[in-house]
Amino acid sequence: GAVVSQHPSRVICKSGTSVKIECRSLDFQATTMFWYRQFPKQSLMLMATSNEGSKATYEQGVEKDKFLINHASLTLSTLTVTSAHPEDSSFYICSARDGRFEAFFGQGTRLTVV
Amino acid sequence: QKEVEQNSGPLSVPEGAIASLNCTYSDRVSQSFFWYRQYSGKSPELIMSIYSNGDKEDGRFTAQLNKASQYVSLLIRDSQPSDSATYLCAVSLSGGYNKLIFGAGTRLAVHP
Repeated sequence: GAVVSQHPSRVICKSGTSVKIECRSLDFQATTMFWYRQFPKQSLMLMATSNEGSKATYEQGVEKDKFLINHASLTLSTLTVTSAHPEDSSFYICSARDGRFEAFFGQGTRLTVV
Repeated sequence: QKEVEQNSGPLSVPEGAIASLNCTYSDRVSQSFFWYRQYSGKSPELIMSIYSNGDKEDGRFTAQLNKASQYVSLLIRDSQPSDSATYLCAVSLSGGYNKLIFGAGTRLAVHP
């Protein structure tokens, strides 16, 4: 299957700082990428759909000013968690669909805000 | 009504048995269907995709789709302890720009 690389895999930051997470499609072009958040023992929650060259589409209840998404190229989308707080600690996962429309996930980023 | 429903489990099967995982969806215009496996602390891994009615086999895995009944299932033959994980069902409209709607997942436990 197609490869999606996410970086960093783990990050610890101080409350009030911002954290940027990168998601890259390595062997295909992804016009659309998706960002999810997952709390322990819960299912995936879609946060936003990232479209190359245009504004992201956020799901209801997700603060777009707190979770900044940029999809500047066909292989890279970034999620920036601004002014992070302990309640933002979670597992963040990106996904991209390839030409066959199968969706592949990055390795995930475990964010801990202290 | 949730868009994609799965039994949360745990589904416990002995090693070597067939594990049967089920999923129903509410949107009749759904076109693409996927099964993912997620180990604890890891991101989901695609196991099977299915787009038309009937069965699709890949190794020990068989996906079954019945659009009239809005039902998709995953059979795992000769279950192994390494198959113990949470299995996520996902559906979407056709087109690569459409988001996947995930079920809550079924936890499978294969015991020796």
